[in-house]
Amino acid sequence: AQKITQTQPGMFVQEKEAVTLDCTYDTSDPSYGLFWYKQPSSGEMIFLIYQGSYDQQNATEGRYSLNFQKARKSANLVISASQLGDSAMYFCAMLRLVGGDKIIFGKGTRLHILP
Amino acid sequence: EAQVTQNPRYLITVTGKKLTVTCSQNMNHEYMSWYRQDPGLGLRQIYYSMNVEVTDKGDVPEGYKVSRKEKRNFPLILESPSPNQTSLYFCASSLSQAGDTQYFGPGTRLTVL
Repeated sequence: AQKITQTQPGMFVQEKEAVTLDCTYDTSDPSYGLFWYKQPSSGEMIFLIYQGSYDQQNATEGRYSLNFQKARKSANLVISASQLGDSAMYFCAMLRLVGGDKIIFGKGTRLHILP
Repeated sequence: EAQVTQNPRYLITVTGKKLTVTCSQNMNHEYMSWYRQDPGLGLRQIYYSMNVEVTDKGDVPEGYKVSRKEKRNFPLILESPSPNQTSLYFCASSLSQAGDTQYFGPGTRLTVL
């Protein structure tokens, strides 16, 4: 069965340090996409980054990068130089292309940035 | 301003009373989707639509209906709400297939008594 696993329910990180949020996935589909979203305490969902399964290079968007290791089925989010505003819930998600464009989400990691 | 709007933002209702949560986007997006978010479970996809008159079930479609008669609108219908449908609901849209950036609405917090 298709599955997304985020093993860190919560993390505390000192401001300005780099952060790695873990995400592993399980799929037998050869073609899929992986996303990360941020949900601040205000509740809105903010798209951060996308990686396609056939992309040769890891995706980057400003301070965000996705460490994609296909053989290990992991898609960790790396935030460089963390800021207080990075405190939020972070969700990893997978786009399943078999049977239509379904998306499944992990349960999330709550990140706290300490001043 | 490009946005996804949902109404109402908050709703308290009683078991069995039909309700509709509206979703509208002004970006001419083809793909639209509904999710529910529950504590400890993340977001779960209810239904999605890849274009007008094309809808399909997500992972938790039971108890919900959708329609896509116009490109911009994707209402979520609860014919007979039950307390286990108390949740935070998000509508989202993207340009074409779901691999494009999804834009989320602000959420609708529903309580079914």
